[in-house]
Amino acid sequence: DAKTTQPPSMDCAEGRAANLPCNHSTISGNEYVYWYRQIHSQGPQYIIHGLKNNETNEMASLIITEDRKSSTLILPHATLRDTAVYYCIVAHTGTASKLTFGTGTRLQVTL
Amino acid sequence: GAVVSQHPSRVICKSGTSVKIECRSLDFQATTMFWYRQFPKKSLMLMATSNEGSKATYEQGVEKDKFLINHASLTLSTLTVTSAHPEDSSFYICSAREARNPTGELFFGEGSRLTVL
Repeated sequence: DAKTTQPPSMDCAEGRAANLPCNHSTISGNEYVYWYRQIHSQGPQYIIHGLKNNETNEMASLIITEDRKSSTLILPHATLRDTAVYYCIVAHTGTASKLTFGTGTRLQVTL
Repeated sequence: GAVVSQHPSRVICKSGTSVKIECRSLDFQATTMFWYRQFPKKSLMLMATSNEGSKATYEQGVEKDKFLINHASLTLSTLTVTSAHPEDSSFYICSAREARNPTGELFFGEGSRLTVL
């Protein structure tokens, strides 16, 4: 599976949009981009995933560049409860497809 | 969304004993489940892939005789840490994907924190 690169940490003011970047320059044509987050001492929580089109759900938006070598997760109105480590993962699909976690970005939302 | 449940959430045991952790998919069937471990302030590390009705596939460096995995049904996988030692203390997390939705997301359990004294 392709490797991803994320900044180790970011800060965001509450109420503002949080834009978390991810580079995945070696992504292959059939690999998806997944985003998860982990709040302290809990299991990872699924946020969103996509192949090449931009995606939006009730939690976030995922913007994937046309060449698919990078993506951005957008939390439109960050709250204190969004403070977590955010992981960007690229992987093939399939019931046996495993996700390999990198070091992620620690997002700190402040007042 | 789909729910994956782990039990126990916390366990403390004496060195040399064995500990079993259960992972259940509550409202879906999963032919494959995944086991991860996580040390403090570190990322999740995949340990093994649990396959229903067959042997688990272990990642390089993970001792299969130390971490026994059984996936006897489409909704249950168990991880047994045998002869546990303090260095096995960690946060163990399981995950599963719906068998009927192979392009969907992987759901994670709440994690099980093991402390070996």
